[in-house]
Formats: sequence, structure tokens, C-alpha cells
Amino acid sequence: EVQLQESGPGLVKPSQSLSLTCSVTGYSITSNYWGWIRKFPGNKMEWMGYISYSGSTSYNPSLKSRISITRDTSKNQFFLQLNSVTTEDTATYYCARSYCGIAFDYWGQGVMVTVSS
Amino acid sequence: DIQMTQSPASLSASLGETVTIECRASEDIYNGLAWYQQKPGKSPQLLIYNANSLHTGVPSRFSGSGSGTQYSLKINSLQSEDVASYFCQQYYDYPFTFGSGTKLEIK
Repeated sequence: EVQLQESGPGLVKPSQSLSLTCSVTGYSITSNYWGWIRKFPGNKMEWMGYISYSGSTSYNPSLKSRISITRDTSKNQFFLQLNSVTTEDTATYYCARSYCGIAFDYWGQGVMVTVSS
Repeated sequence: DIQMTQSPASLSASLGETVTIECRASEDIYNGLAWYQQKPGKSPQLLIYNANSLHTGVPSRFSGSGSGTQYSLKINSLQSEDVASYFCQQYYDYPFTFGSGTKLEIK
């Protein structure tokens, strides 16, 4: 069974970087597409970007200057780094598998990240 | 970006009823649409992809339809376990975008 699990700090200070890890079991990240999605307070959802089976990336232009998604295939993990965070980056962050680069068929449980001093 | 307008924002219905949730895209998305269910405290679950294809393991009382810019999710014979939020997502064009969600309650 495909399982994803996010990990990382729940509190980040403004202007610092947010770093999250998604650990995947039951499926290799060298297949398919692996994305990050966040849900803001108030329930708006935003696709942040993904890393493909080949390691290529695609990012939401609204984040393009601040976001980086990388991976470690030896550990079957992929990572999110979001730089220069503000309070508006406070959200629940999900990692998910995007089957063939379209719909997200497996999701992690989500990690709530608060940006506050 | 393609804007997804979802309605209604909330919905209250009786057990056994049929409910419909709609999403309108700001341009043709050529059936590149998914529907998700999210229960409180849980992660989203894929229900429908390609506008009308039922994801593995999803009960057949859920169905999707539509084309062009107009899409809908129908839930037949509403069950108590269907209490959740539902949202649509387009993947026809980058960046992928989501509807604002519909909160479904039992009357």
C-alpha cells in the first residue's frame, strides 16, 4: 500500500525557511509525480508544485522564486523548501502522489505549519 | 490561472437524498477535473478523476459528469459517512487549481 508521511517543524519564524520531508513507503518515487499542496485557514487549497519520476520539477508561478522541491531516491523521500516565509504561509501542508501527473490519489496526513515570531 | 468556482459553499440534506455539487471553470478544461472528499481531521480522498471516472474503492453512489467549463459531483442515497467537505481540482493546465469547497451536512 502506498503511504506518505510529512514531517517537519510546526512553527517557523517570519523571513526564515520552511522545510518539510515527505517519506514514501510502498511505492518508488522514481515512478509517477510527487507533489506538495497546502490548505490555508479558511480552507483555500493551493497546489505548490511537484517533482517527477525523472527529477524534473514544476512550480506554481505564485511561489516560483521561493520554492524548491528536491528528492533523495535512496531514502524514497522528497522535500519542500519554502524561503522567506510570512504569516500568509501558515497552512496545513500535504504531500501527495499525482498519478500520471494529474489527480492526487494518495495523500499524507498533513502537517500544520504556523509562521509566527 | 484557471479559476474554479464551486457551489454551494455549504449544503444540508437528509439521509437517502441525492445531492449535487458544481464546479465551473473559467475556461474549457477538457474533462481534466477531479473531485475529492475530506473528512474533519483527515487528508483528502480522491473520488472522481477525468470528470467522470470513479476512483478504485469509491462507492458507486458517487458519480461525476460535465464537460467544457461545467462539472458536477452527484451523491445518491446520502449516507451518514458522507458528511465531509468536497472540492474539485482542475489539472488541464498549470498551475493546478482547486475549488473553494462544499461542506456537506446531514439535516
